Amino acid sequence: EVQLLDSGGGLVQPGGSLRLSCGASGFTFSSYDMSWLRQPPGKGLEWVSTISSGGIYTNYADSVKGRFTVSRDNSKNTVYLQMNSLRAEDTAVYYCAKRYCSGGTCFHFENWGQGTLVTVSS
Amino acid sequence: DIVMTQSPDSLAVSLGERATINCKSSQSVLHSSNNKNYLAWYQQKPGQPPKLLIHWASTRESGVPDRFSGSGSGTDFNLIISSLQAEDVAVYYCHQYYSPPHSFGQGTKLEIK
Repeated sequence: EVQLLDSGGGLVQPGGSLRLSCGASGFTFSSYDMSWLRQPPGKGLEWVSTISSGGIYTNYADSVKGRFTVSRDNSKNTVYLQMNSLRAEDTAVYYCAKRYCSGGTCFHFENWGQGTLVTVSS
Repeated sequence: DIVMTQSPDSLAVSLGERATINCKSSQSVLHSSNNKNYLAWYQQKPGQPPKLLIHWASTRESGVPDRFSGSGSGTDFNLIISSLQAEDVAVYYCHQYYSPPHSFGQGTKLEIK
């Protein structure tokens, strides 16, 4: 059974930093692209970042580009999201998600972590 | 960027009745190379992460009840619940994975009438 365990959220002041982690089990982690998505309280879903299976390729939403960095450690089955220069509008539940991949291409989000809440406030 | 627009924003349906949620994309998500629509539907219950229901616009995920179905192609899609059950109360989102950045509809809140 695929399991994704998000952690690392909390309260941080504007301008501060936080690192989220997502531990994975139940599948061959190193074979799958992984993504981070977020959901502000009471609002909809927003894709944040994706990292390729080997960690070589990354991409980001314009709203976080230059402030957030995604990385992974395939030896630890863990993906990370380093968040710097945090703003009030970054307040959200952050989810890691495993993408469905076939033939070297990845598509929709087939499994999601339970989420971790990040609150940016003074 | 592809913009996804769902309608309605909220919907109240009686138990056992049919519920239909529409999703429109600002450009086609039909990939010519494989004739697949890069469109998924998710269900999110309060306090839970989203759950994948349907991908490729009409392929039900394993374990999803067959009262859930997806239809449409190109830019216009529907999620249909044929006979609403109490446990179907949730917010439903469509998602395009045709081109980055991934984008979602704003969500449709489904309630019991």
